[in-house]
Amino acid sequence: EVRLSEFGGGLVQPGGSLRLSCAASGFAFRGYAMGWVRQAPGKGLEWVSVISNTGDNAHYTDSVKGRFTLSRDNSKNAVYLQMNSLRAEDTAIYYCAKNHLGGYDSFDVWGHGTTVTVSS
Amino acid sequence: SYELTQPPSVSVSPGQTATITCSGDAVAKQYAYWYQQKPGQAPTLIIYRDSERPSGIPERFSGASSGTTVTLTIRGVQAEDEADYYCQSVDSNPTFLYVFGTGTKLTVL
Repeated sequence: EVRLSEFGGGLVQPGGSLRLSCAASGFAFRGYAMGWVRQAPGKGLEWVSVISNTGDNAHYTDSVKGRFTLSRDNSKNAVYLQMNSLRAEDTAIYYCAKNHLGGYDSFDVWGHGTTVTVSS
Repeated sequence: SYELTQPPSVSVSPGQTATITCSGDAVAKQYAYWYQQKPGQAPTLIIYRDSERPSGIPERFSGASSGTTVTLTIRGVQAEDEADYYCQSVDSNPTFLYVFGTGTKLTVL
């Protein structure tokens, strides 16, 4: 069974840091780009970041550039989102997702999400 | 433009056809994708590359593209189709990004 499981969400104060992890199973992990998508309470979907299958290239939405870093470990079938200098507007459910066709296209497998709350 | 605009809501009776549009420059240049999201659940990919259906997605879901507008059509709408629907594309000029549409709430009357 193809599965993604996210870990690491929680409550953090503004300016703080969190590291989200995503464990993958059931597919050839090293063959696919992986990404994160977030959804603020009552709002729509927002793309956060994506990393190439090799980990050589990562891209970010403008609002998190310089604060978030996406990495992956193909030996552990995992991706990691390091989030620093967190702001109230980063509060959201964060979904880990697998690219569908190997390149940068759509997300065909999603985790159940992990909740990040930034509040004092 | 990095925006993909969708109507906030669409309502349809069971058995009828629902049409949801998504407009923006990105879909004129790149493929469009569609997701269904039910309350409390992660999104599900229902259309890729403008009009292709992943395995397991019912044939009543279809997609089409014309210029700067892509369309999701659901024929013979069922109560279980009530959900939020999002389009998505990938743009790379001048900045690489994935862009999601504003989302449409489909209500089955």
